Amino acid sequence: EDQVTQSPEALRLQEGESSSLNCSYTVSGLRGLFWYRQDPGKGPEFLFTLYSAGEEKEKERLKATLTKKESFLHITAPKPEDSATYLCAVQAQGAQKLVFGQGTRLTINP
Amino acid sequence: KAGVTQTPRYLIKTRGQQVTLSCSPISGHRSVSWYQQTPGQGLQFLFEYFSETQRNKGNFPGRFSGRQFSNSRSEMNVSTLELGDSALYLCASSSRTGSSGNTIYFGEGSWLTVV
Repeated sequence: EDQVTQSPEALRLQEGESSSLNCSYTVSGLRGLFWYRQDPGKGPEFLFTLYSAGEEKEKERLKATLTKKESFLHITAPKPEDSATYLCAVQAQGAQKLVFGQGTRLTINP
Repeated sequence: KAGVTQTPRYLIKTRGQQVTLSCSPISGHRSVSWYQQTPGQGLQFLFEYFSETQRNKGNFPGRFSGRQFSNSRSEMNVSTLELGDSALYLCASSSRTGSSGNTIYFGEGSWLTVV
């Protein structure tokens, strides 16, 4: 069974303090690994899709990396507006559904 | 380009009633998936429709059903509502093309409260 585990559950940082969020996964053939940002009361906002080990993608202060067992979302010099829940999901080969982790709730203090 | 549109955004229903939620995918996208999000279970896959056919189904009871129309718009229905059905229901849209480049976008969701 496909499974995703995110850590930590919650992370509190000071503005400008860089850190990384972890997403460990098991999947029967990876089609894609997805990162989303979700603000309270809203739907998930697409950030990245990674397809193969070694791939990296960047967007503003965020950088996502992928290995065969886990993905990291690195956040560099975060700002208070980066506060949100970050969700990781995997999609197996031949499947359309996403299997989500429980998310990491990130808080950036000014 | 308009995003994924879900209606209604908020609704309150009584136990035993039924509810219908609507989703308009991004123009050109033919795949629509539905997810349920609760604090305890997180995001869980309900079902996926592509070209008016249900292609995949999650582990939910038969009270949860859906359909897709020829214009790719989709509806999901929950009958005989239970308190535990209170959740954020999310619709996701994708082009479902090829083994890569399969970006999946979510709508803002429909908040259902069952009392």
